[in-house]
Amino acid sequence: AQSVTQPDIHITVSEGASLELRCNYSYGATPYLFWYVQSPGQGLQLLLKYFSGDTLVQGIKGFEAEFKRSQSSFNLRKPSVHWSDAAEYFCAVGALIGNKLVFGAGTILRVKS
Amino acid sequence: NAGVTQTPKFQVLKTGQSMTLQCAQDMNHEYMSWYRQDPGMGLRLIHYSVGAGITDQGEVPNGYNVSRSTTEDFPLRLLSAAPSQTSVYFCASSAFNEQFFGPGTRLTVL
Repeated sequence: AQSVTQPDIHITVSEGASLELRCNYSYGATPYLFWYVQSPGQGLQLLLKYFSGDTLVQGIKGFEAEFKRSQSSFNLRKPSVHWSDAAEYFCAVGALIGNKLVFGAGTILRVKS
Repeated sequence: NAGVTQTPKFQVLKTGQSMTLQCAQDMNHEYMSWYRQDPGMGLRLIHYSVGAGITDQGEVPNGYNVSRSTTEDFPLRLLSAAPSQTSVYFCASSAFNEQFFGPGTRLTVL
């Protein structure tokens, strides 16, 4: 069965510190992977996606993620967190064509000054 | 270009009432989906459509009905609301698996 695990429910980092949010997936075919961000009371915004090619993908707002097939992981990173990054982050996996995404439970990021 | 729009933003229902959540997109996307978001559970797929006239069930379809008569619109109907359907509902449309989400409808069933 397809599934996505985000092991950390909450993470708190200091402003300016680096960030890594973990994501592990289980998918029977070639996975297509996504990270979304949701600010309070808002919809979801796509940060980045991995379809194929270079396993290190760059996204918006200075985020990047690395696909590691051997570890079934797609961790999200940012070298220096800003207070405006406080939000909930979702990892998702799906097929190349279609619209059936499976989401993780989300990680809530808090940024302390 | 409004993207994906959803109405209403908020709704309170009594148990047993029915209602329709509206979703429209102006990007000419073939694929549209409905998700519900519950705390600690991420988003779960309710129903989806791969084009006008074609719909299918997702992970949690019970208690919900959909139809897709046009490319633009994908309404979600609650047939007889239950407290377990209290949630935030998101509609999404996609062309090549990059899904664009609407702002959501927060539904409370008393």
